[in-house]
Amino acid sequence: QVHLVQSGAEMKKPGSSLKVTCRSSGGTFGNYGIAWLRQAPGQGLEWMGRVIPILGIPNYAQKFQDRVKITADKSTGTADMELNSLGSEDTAIYYCACEDLQKGGAFEIWGQGTLVTVSS
Amino acid sequence: DIQMTQSPSSVSASVGDKVTITCRANQGISSWLAWYQQKPGKTPKLLIHDATTLQSGVPSRFSGSRSGTVFTLTINNLQPEDFATYFCQQSNTFPVTFGPGTKVDTK
Repeated sequence: QVHLVQSGAEMKKPGSSLKVTCRSSGGTFGNYGIAWLRQAPGQGLEWMGRVIPILGIPNYAQKFQDRVKITADKSTGTADMELNSLGSEDTAIYYCACEDLQKGGAFEIWGQGTLVTVSS
Repeated sequence: DIQMTQSPSSVSASVGDKVTITCRANQGISSWLAWYQQKPGKTPKLLIHDATTLQSGVPSRFSGSRSGTVFTLTINNLQPEDFATYFCQQSNTFPVTFGPGTKVDTK
């Protein structure tokens, strides 16, 4: 069973960049896709994009297309999400999640979340 | 983007009640619909995928149905641990989108 562990909370200044790492405790993502989502305080869930590690091809939400980069290393079972040009609106909990393509693209396993605060 | 709406936005219920939550897509998404439960300070938990398939380990009091672009999550015999917020999610088309959530709280 895959278990996802994310890097720790971050405090960022406006205009800076963010990198959040997600590691599979088993060292592999299996056949899952790895998605990145975020949830602003008191808000709903927002999908940022995903990558299928065995293929290495990312898909991004158009909203983030110009400033996000999602990568995954299938050999080490790690995935990274980089987000540039941060603003206060990027304050949120960021999650990685395993997307099960055999279950209609549902997110079966979630990381614990990484709180990112953007403030001057 | 496909817009997902949920109703009601909140519902007050008692233990033992039946709760029904509706999710609507503004265009066809086949059965590419999942339901999640989220408790305060916790990560979302997958309940149902492919509109009607119960995720392994989820109690059978949870069920999902579909009629066209209208999807329903039903919780029979509501239990204390079911008080939470419920989200629907479509994965038919990128970007993946979620409903705004339905909060189930105690009456």
